[in-house]
This record gives sequence, structure tokens and C-alpha cells, in this order.
Amino acid sequence: EDQVTQSPEALRLQEGESSSLNCSYTVSGLRGLFWYRQDPGKGPEFLFTLYSAGEEKEKERLKATLTKKESFLHITAPKPEDSATYLCAVPINQAGTALIFGKGTTLSVSS
Amino acid sequence: DTEVTQTPKHLVMGMTNKKSLKCEQHMGHRAMYWYKQKAKKPPELMFVYSYEKLSINESVPSRFSPECPNSSLLNLHLHALQPEDSALYLCASSQQGFPNQPQHFGDGTRLSIL
Repeated sequence: EDQVTQSPEALRLQEGESSSLNCSYTVSGLRGLFWYRQDPGKGPEFLFTLYSAGEEKEKERLKATLTKKESFLHITAPKPEDSATYLCAVPINQAGTALIFGKGTTLSVSS
Repeated sequence: DTEVTQTPKHLVMGMTNKKSLKCEQHMGHRAMYWYKQKAKKPPELMFVYSYEKLSINESVPSRFSPECPNSSLLNLHLHALQPEDSALYLCASSQQGFPNQPQHFGDGTRLSIL
């Protein structure tokens, strides 16, 4: 069964305290893995796409990496404005249009 | 501001009402989506339109009726909804092709059923 699991469910960090979020997946033939950020009352905001093991993408304090079984979202020296729920998703159909999401990691960064 | 625009932002309706949610994008995307998101849960796929044709219906009850009038617009017609249908309804769009392209989301319509 296709599945996406994220851990931890919630993460509290002090400003400047780096950490990583995990997204593990079991799908038959990975056709991309997507990371999103969602703020309360808003829609998910696209962050990164990763297509193959070993690939890395960076944006400001965020870095996403991909292995054959999981992806990590590394947050370096986070700021309070990085507080949000981070979701990962993978497509489960050939066309890549049917996404399943993990349950997300809610990150809180305090100053 | 997102490039996918959803209206209205909030909607309160009774169980016997008929209403519609609207979604618009001008990015030239040929795939459009409806998702349902309950509080503290991830989005769940409802419908997918590809080149204005319905390609995926995730066994959604018939009280939800999607419509894609053209490549930029997506509607979701609502009729005889139940209280458990209260949720955030998200629209998304994406390019089609290989490799798979990310979906871009609007900020949703917050729907409350009385």
C-alpha cells in the first residue's frame, strides 16, 4: 500500500537551533517527492521537488534531501517566521496527478 | 499572494442550500484539482481535471459536483451537504508532463454547514 509517514508530528525549537524533519515513503516507483509549507488558514505553499536519490535542493534556511526510502528537510538556524506545518507528498499514479500527503510536522520556533 | 484564486474565502450554508465554489488560475496549467482538508489533517484529493476532462474522482459523494468550464476555471457545486462536510476546500493547478510538476494551491474556501 502506498504510504507517506512524517516525523516528528510536532517540533519545538529555539531560534537558531537547527534540526531535521523526516518523510518516509513506500510507493511503487517514485515519480517525485514534493515539500510544502502550510500556515494556519492558508493553502500549502510549494517549497521543493526532488526526483531521484541523492538529489538536494536549497532555499534560504531550508535544504531538502532524498534517499531511496525517505526525504529530510533540514532547517538551519531557524527563525520564528519558519513556524508552520511542513507537508511532504508523493504522486501515486502514472500521470503524477494523484498526490498523497503525509500528516505533516508542525514546527514552532521561539525567540 | 497565490496565483490560484479561490472564492469565496468563507461560506456558511444550510444542509438544503445549493452553492458553488470557484477557482481560477492564469498560469497556463492544464491540470486542476479539488482537495478537502479537515482541521489538523493533510489535504485529501477529491477530483482531478486534465485538459478540462475529469480524470480522477476519489469516490466523492454526488452532493459534490465538479465542473471545468475552461482551462482557467474550476467550480465545485454543492448541494444537500452534511455537517461532516465542513472543512477547508482547496483548489490546485499544475503543468502536465514529465517529470511530474508541483501542484500550486490557492488559500481555500472555509466551508461551514449548519
